[in-house]
Amino acid sequence: DQQVKQNSPSLSVQEGRISILNCDYTNSMFDYFLWYKKYPAEGPTFLISISSIKDKNEDGRFTVFLNKSAKHLSLHIVPSQPGDSAVYFCAASEGTNFGNEKLTFGTGTRLTIIP
Amino acid sequence: NAGVTQTPKFQVLKTGQSMTLQCAQDMNHEYMSWYRQDPGMGLRLIHYSVGAGITDQGEVPNGYNVSRSTTEDFPLRLLSAAPSQTSVYFCASSWLGIGELFFGEGSRLTVL
Repeated sequence: DQQVKQNSPSLSVQEGRISILNCDYTNSMFDYFLWYKKYPAEGPTFLISISSIKDKNEDGRFTVFLNKSAKHLSLHIVPSQPGDSAVYFCAASEGTNFGNEKLTFGTGTRLTIIP
Repeated sequence: NAGVTQTPKFQVLKTGQSMTLQCAQDMNHEYMSWYRQDPGMGLRLIHYSVGAGITDQGEVPNGYNVSRSTTEDFPLRLLSAAPSQTSVYFCASSWLGIGELFFGEGSRLTVL
């Protein structure tokens, strides 16, 4: 039973436009959400996170939106750059303080930025 | 800065053989974990540890053993490899209470 779902395996976006990656979750106990970026032959690297007490978090070109009632979050990248081409994983954890380390990951979305 | 170091990067085993994937981190993280990545399955948690001497099972622990004798090291042991264990394995660490995991570069294991 996939508790974190990324229903789009792939996404192609023109350079300079906005990339929107989506993620849905089923476990109502999840209260901390993260996005990771992964290049081929490398480990995932942390990109941005959001706590359930917020509905938006920004870091430069990256913004994560959380809709708790819909159990949905999205990652917006604007403007998209060729270096953003990678696989993006959504992840979630439950519990505050201790327990946040145990992440449940989605299946990933491969983003391709077209020059 | 070394971060999280995994060895070996590639390994081919025959069914029934045993091996150990090594993981070391130099960030003094209390939490360490092992994930496997399979096509269409994302990353799934195998085992984790919240400190030296403490380990627990994740989502897919069968066929794997772990131990944590030091803060720095968290080896993953396959006692009798099976083709279903063909995967890419990632070790990750973090401070307790912080969800941001730091990952190693991965170890690609093929079991024939």
